[in-house]
Amino acid sequence: KQEVTQIPAALSVPEGENLVLNCSFTDSAIYNLQWFRQDPGKGLTSLLLIQSSQREQTSGRLNASLDKSSGRSTLYIAASQPGDSATYLCAVSEAAGNKLTFGGGTRVLVKP
Amino acid sequence: DAGVIQSPRHEVTEMGQEVTLRCKPISGHDYLFWYRQTMMRGLELLIYFNNNVPIDDSGMPEDRFSAKMPNASFSTLKIQPSEPRDSAVYFCASTLGHHNQPQHFGDGTRLSIL
Repeated sequence: KQEVTQIPAALSVPEGENLVLNCSFTDSAIYNLQWFRQDPGKGLTSLLLIQSSQREQTSGRLNASLDKSSGRSTLYIAASQPGDSATYLCAVSEAAGNKLTFGGGTRVLVKP
Repeated sequence: DAGVIQSPRHEVTEMGQEVTLRCKPISGHDYLFWYRQTMMRGLELLIYFNNNVPIDDSGMPEDRFSAKMPNASFSTLKIQPSEPRDSAVYFCASTLGHHNQPQHFGDGTRLSIL
């Protein structure tokens, strides 16, 4: 059974610092890995999707890497801003359109 | 474009009552998912549909929970009878399954069973 872990559970940084969020999964036979952002009282917003054949994806200040063999992904957020404060979740899919298995999330606070 | 629409946004009811949560997926998406989020257990998949057909309901906690998708634009999650431990945020998500597309989530229904 796939298990997804995110460490740390919470992170606080001063504005301008780079953020590094970690995600690990136990079964490397994944179809894709997705990073989401969740703001309080809201649903999840997709940030990046990395296909199993890819090593990384980038969108603006966000960069996500994937190392399938070691079961790890890292989300980098450059030059953090207070607006980046949110909970970040990673999730893995084991087949096209299939269910996602989520990690517990990392709650991020960026202090002005 | 409209995203995934869930209703109601909040529901407070007494235990034993029937609760019905509703979801309208994004037009054209062929997969629909129901998740439950709690502090203790995080996000858990309850059930998902492909082309309106339930594919995996192994996450449905008990027979008190049921879900239907009568057509491509509407799904319901029903709890009958409800219990206090069902209190959680319930999310619906949809996606286009065969093009490595991300799942799109609604804003959720916050359910409180007294």
